[in-house]
Amino acid sequence: EIVLTQSPGTLSLSPGERATLSCRASQSVGSSSLAWYQQKPGQAPRLLIYDTSSRATGIPDRFSGSGSGTDFTLTISRLEPEDFAVYYCQQYSSAPRTFGQGTKVEIK
Amino acid sequence: EVQLVESGGGLVQPGRSLRLSCAASGFTMIDHAMHWVRQAPGKGLEWVSGISWNSVTMLYADSVKGRFTISRDNAKNSLFLQMNSLRVEDTAFYYCTKDMRGVRAFESWGQGTLVTVSS
Repeated sequence: EIVLTQSPGTLSLSPGERATLSCRASQSVGSSSLAWYQQKPGQAPRLLIYDTSSRATGIPDRFSGSGSGTDFTLTISRLEPEDFAVYYCQQYSSAPRTFGQGTKVEIK
Repeated sequence: EVQLVESGGGLVQPGRSLRLSCAASGFTMIDHAMHWVRQAPGKGLEWVSGISWNSVTMLYADSVKGRFTISRDNAKNSLFLQMNSLRVEDTAFYYCTKDMRGVRAFESWGQGTLVTVSS
């Protein structure tokens, strides 16, 4: 099973700042099979990024994904008030599909 | 508009059973693999089970293997999760999700149904 470790656990930033979230895999994630999700309190997760760097439908271009192998990054170029939430990475390269433990982006 | 609506959650004693349902609309369900993902209150996400479009392949997390059974009825646009021998640690919100076409990311999610296992 591929274990995903996200860092930092919590990111305290102000609106307008850049957010950089990390996701590290215990073994190589093949075919760039990594996704990122956003979850707000009381809501279901929402797909942001798939295949490492492709934005899902309706996702603004301030969200971008990059990486390969075992190291992946989600970048939010300029934080908007609605971006403060928990973010999860997830791999679908091999079964079972696994999630990272999440990074909370909070208002500083 | 894609909609996934879960139902069937509730309070159940350890060792008992519960069956979750997910009603799908706004897309052609037969085109997609479907999954259940759960989240214990205040915790992270855990994939539970998935089923291929034609029900040939069913996969389970080790934590539920042998106790949970996933199934689907494409004619009725429905997904199910039969949960037997429930444990306290199965307490969670259970989300119905669908894969993207050709990509195994969870493209759409239901609002979730809460299963509480407690005596």
